[in-house]
Amino acid sequence: GENVEQHPSTLSVQEGDSAVIKCTYSDSASNYFPWYKQELGKRPQLIIDIRSNVGEKKDQRIAVTLNKTAKHFSLHITETQPEDSAVYFCAASIQGAQKLVFGQGTRLTINP
Amino acid sequence: NAGVTQTPKFRVLKTGQSMTLLCAQDMNHEYMYWYRQDPGMGLRLIHYSVGEGTTAKGEVPDGYNVSRLKKQNFLLGLESAAPSQTSVYFCASSPHTDTQYFGPGTRLTVL
Repeated sequence: GENVEQHPSTLSVQEGDSAVIKCTYSDSASNYFPWYKQELGKRPQLIIDIRSNVGEKKDQRIAVTLNKTAKHFSLHITETQPEDSAVYFCAASIQGAQKLVFGQGTRLTINP
Repeated sequence: NAGVTQTPKFRVLKTGQSMTLLCAQDMNHEYMYWYRQDPGMGLRLIHYSVGEGTTAKGEVPDGYNVSRLKKQNFLLGLESAAPSQTSVYFCASSPHTDTQYFGPGTRLTVL
């Protein structure tokens, strides 16, 4: 089955700097890759997603890139702010399977 | 719309006790899921349902049962709780688009 590895497990950056979180997946049939943000004590919430027919997608300060050949995708956050501090999860899904396989999560801390 | 709701929010059980967690969604979604979240382990799928009356096993189904008698509800049962089932449980639902919407979670402690 699908396996998703996420790195790093913790990441600390200065406010205003950029943060990058990377995930690799094992099943080349995977074609949907969402990213979720989970603030302390709250539910995971979708922040951005990408499908395999697109190489990059941006939404204001966040972007996701996908390399199908290497089977990895990354979340990029620019101009980080204190409210970006949270745990971020990547996931992968095979079309039609209707199941997501999640990475282990990255705890991002933005230092003022 | 309330979205996805879960009851209860918190529960403490003794080993061997049983309980049922309720997930409800008002978005008319076909698919519903139960996950558990443990530190450093991400979200692991317990059971899921692709429609009313259907259920299927996920990654970690042992010790849990589920039922989807109504489209809007998905129940997770623990017949004989064990300390290893101490976790935060999240329900999620999805339309036919892969995107999943999560409930607020239930924090369960088994003593």
